[in-house]
Amino acid sequence: SAVISQKPSRDICQRGTSLTIQCQVDSQVTMMFWYRQQPGQSLTLIATANQGSEATYESGFVIDKFPISRPNLTFSTLTVSNMSPEDSSIYLCSVGQGSGETQYFGPGTRLLVL
Amino acid sequence: GQQLNQSPQSMFIQEGEDVSMNCTSSSIFNTWLWYKQDPGEGPVLLIALYKAGELTSNGRLTAQFGITRKDSFLNISASIPSDVGIYFCAGQRQGGSEKLVFGKGTKLTVNP
Repeated sequence: SAVISQKPSRDICQRGTSLTIQCQVDSQVTMMFWYRQQPGQSLTLIATANQGSEATYESGFVIDKFPISRPNLTFSTLTVSNMSPEDSSIYLCSVGQGSGETQYFGPGTRLLVL
Repeated sequence: GQQLNQSPQSMFIQEGEDVSMNCTSSSIFNTWLWYKQDPGEGPVLLIALYKAGELTSNGRLTAQFGITRKDSFLNISASIPSDVGIYFCAGQRQGGSEKLVFGKGTKLTVNP
């Protein structure tokens, strides 16, 4: 499976600021996904990022709040904008690989907003 | 958004015991996946199931894709302390271009 890294691994931020999370994959992948996992909860898809096109956002998530870049087939960023304490979560990227395009996850970015 | 019904929510067992957890859905999925998440880590794929009725093993883990394509179960045999963690099921309707729908997770505690 692909090796996926995320930066930063964790951060503590002040409300009203923005944080950009990076996801790097060691092989070229078509689809990259960004998920949010709120404390003690399951994973919820934020958006799907394809290289060369705009990200597709799920219901309840908007581009102004979570802008995404996908400049090439191995890298993507997610920005959490104008943060509030409710944005405190783990943010995870995943990629599809293999014959079934099974999704594999990065280690996550733990965000605490004060 | 839609979620899968995963049960039990938590389990407390003794080392050496077998564990069973399952997921159900009101709609059909073409792929079922089981992940384990350790504290401070991202989910790690345990087993992927692609065909209705498929039974797949990975060491002490066994998972089945329900024949109706609306359910799946995961069994862990002879549990050990390192099995502790949260187990998530996930369903996918199409291939990799389709999003994953997750269960709420089963938190497993193994007492030595």
